[in-house]
Amino acid sequence: DIQMTQSPSSLSASVGDRVTITCRASQSISRYLNWYQQKPGKGPKLLIYAASRLQSGVPSRFSGSGSGTDFTLTISSLQLEDFATYYCQQSYSTPPWTFGQGTKVEIK
Amino acid sequence: EVQLVESGGGLVQPGGSLRLSCAASEFSFSNYWMSWVRQAPGKGLEWVANIKQDGSEKYYVDSVKGRFTISRDNAKNSLYLQMNSLRAEDTAVYYCASIDYGDYKEFDYWGQGTLVTVSS
Repeated sequence: DIQMTQSPSSLSASVGDRVTITCRASQSISRYLNWYQQKPGKGPKLLIYAASRLQSGVPSRFSGSGSGTDFTLTISSLQLEDFATYYCQQSYSTPPWTFGQGTKVEIK
Repeated sequence: EVQLVESGGGLVQPGGSLRLSCAASEFSFSNYWMSWVRQAPGKGLEWVANIKQDGSEKYYVDSVKGRFTISRDNAKNSLYLQMNSLRAEDTAVYYCASIDYGDYKEFDYWGQGTLVTVSS
């Protein structure tokens, strides 16, 4: 199975900061990489798919990059509503599909 | 607005069974692959199972193979997860999610989840 490793596992940041979260796959997954945001008590929300494509309705301060094994989610200017946990997920080939362990973004 | 509403969770003893349901509305359910994803308390997300639009293809995570069965009823816009031989490690919030199965596959809509607790 393909393992997904996110870093950091948590970070503290202030409103307006630029935040970067990385995700590494245990083998090449081309661009089959998605990013989700989850707030406490809620289901996840799709932010980025195919490594860099912004889901409809998601603010443009969110962006994704990468291909192969290394990927990045960037929030260009952190807003209050962005404090949440973020997960990467690979959908390369047939399942099993796997998630990273998550990155919790907290208020500094 | 797309809505996915899970139900059927609860407290069950180890070795017991439970059937989860997911009711879909405001989207073309029969045109979508569907999935179950779970999240143990305080932990990350774990993909559990996928089912094709017509039910002809199903995939499961190894830890539930032979115990869980994913199914759907397109006439009722509903997705199901039959869970047998439940174990303590199956305790989690279970989410249903739709899959955009285009060139790249992603979980585009999610429900709010239903909690399954396996304990004596």
